[in-house]
Amino acid sequence: DIQMTQSPSSLSASVGDRVTITCRASQGISNYLAWFQQKPGKAPKSLIYATSSLQTGVPSKFSGSGSGTDFTLTISSLQPEDFATYYCQQYNSYPFTFGPGTKVDIK
Amino acid sequence: QLQLQESGPGLVKPSETLSLTCTVSGGSISSSSYYWDWIRQPPGKGLEWIGTIYYTGSTFYNPSLKSRVTISVDTSKNQFSLKLSSVTAADTAVYYCARHDSPSLYSNLGYWGQGSLVTVSS
Repeated sequence: DIQMTQSPSSLSASVGDRVTITCRASQGISNYLAWFQQKPGKAPKSLIYATSSLQTGVPSKFSGSGSGTDFTLTISSLQPEDFATYYCQQYNSYPFTFGPGTKVDIK
Repeated sequence: QLQLQESGPGLVKPSETLSLTCTVSGGSISSSSYYWDWIRQPPGKGLEWIGTIYYTGSTFYNPSLKSRVTISVDTSKNQFSLKLSSVTAADTAVYYCARHDSPSLYSNLGYWGQGSLVTVSS
């Protein structure tokens, strides 16, 4: 199985801050990397797929980059509705695997 | 608009079989060439992919659960289902159904149900 790691595991930030979350795969996954946002008691919401493609309806403050084994999710200007847990996921090979999550909360 | 809704018992006894159904609305399982998945999330923990099924019935399972998992599809009811046998407390989780974004095995999970909490307890 491909192992996914994320850093940091949690971070505190202020409204307006630029936030970057890193995801690393244990082996190359080309660009088959997705990012999800999850709020308490809710299902994960797809934000980005294929490393950098924005899901329909997702604001452009979210962006993704990377290739191979190292990937990043950036939120350009954090807003109150962005405080949540973010997961990366590889879909290069089965079984699909998720990162452990990064919790973004208010400083 | 595509919608997925999980349903099934919220409480299952240890050693019994967990059964959940995902009902799809706003689109037909049989007329679209998509893959349909199950994912779970233990309380306070991360996400674990369980398996996927194509509308034809072909399946892929997570090796860690393969011996206990069966995913099936009922195109006449526009549903697909999950069965997990010999459950223990470690199987307590919110179970989500989801659909891939495109007609490819290797594509993003773009659509998710709201989730169904299943507790394993006597």
